[in-house]
Amino acid sequence: NAGVTQTPKFQVLKTGQSMTLQCAQDMNHNSMYWYRQDPGMGLRLIYYSASEGTTDKGEVPNGYNVSRLNKREFSLRLESAAPSQTSVYFCASRTSPGGSYNEQFFGPGTRLTVL
Amino acid sequence: GQSLEQPSEVTAVEGAIVQINCTYQTSGFYGLSWYQQHDGGAPTFLSYNALDGLEETGRFSSFLSRSDSYGYLLLQELQMKDSASYFCASSNTNAGKSTFGDGTTLTVKP
Repeated sequence: NAGVTQTPKFQVLKTGQSMTLQCAQDMNHNSMYWYRQDPGMGLRLIYYSASEGTTDKGEVPNGYNVSRLNKREFSLRLESAAPSQTSVYFCASRTSPGGSYNEQFFGPGTRLTVL
Repeated sequence: GQSLEQPSEVTAVEGAIVQINCTYQTSGFYGLSWYQQHDGGAPTFLSYNALDGLEETGRFSSFLSRSDSYGYLLLQELQMKDSASYFCASSNTNAGKSTFGDGTTLTVKP
């Protein structure tokens, strides 16, 4: 099992460019999440998908869109990149949105720089 | 809204015990998780408390008091490899959303 995979690992964009960050999990998890982590900070939730076919905003959704393509894949799109979006982006998944077990599995991250 | 507070830095010596505290203010609180993150790496899950009390997993233990909106992570027999950032994260009843604290950087010295 690969777990959670993310592509690309690194990306440099110019202001105004667009791009899509890809995430896939092979653990048959229902819920998937996108976070951003700025230097010295915790993870902030951008968007999440509780189950296939649903998406919802997190704490910092402005400037982003998401697509839950199927149960495995959850992509994050920056339509017009801004320097404030320079960050490390982590995708995560967990088995179900509720329940007493709360472990999230994280991908290796995408390091994005917007010039 | 939801917010969590934890100390920004903690230093301890190899073999010692260290406690990292976390206080939270959340709506719809469901449970408290702890994650470890080494520099440049992805967060990895350590522990989860949904009920009051202590959960033990090897050298790591986590505690929750819902009445005090407080939890802690206890690391015993510290090793150099435990030097990392540790995050507490609250989850709420709404689709398992999590809110993370800003993290505590633990430095273990020889």
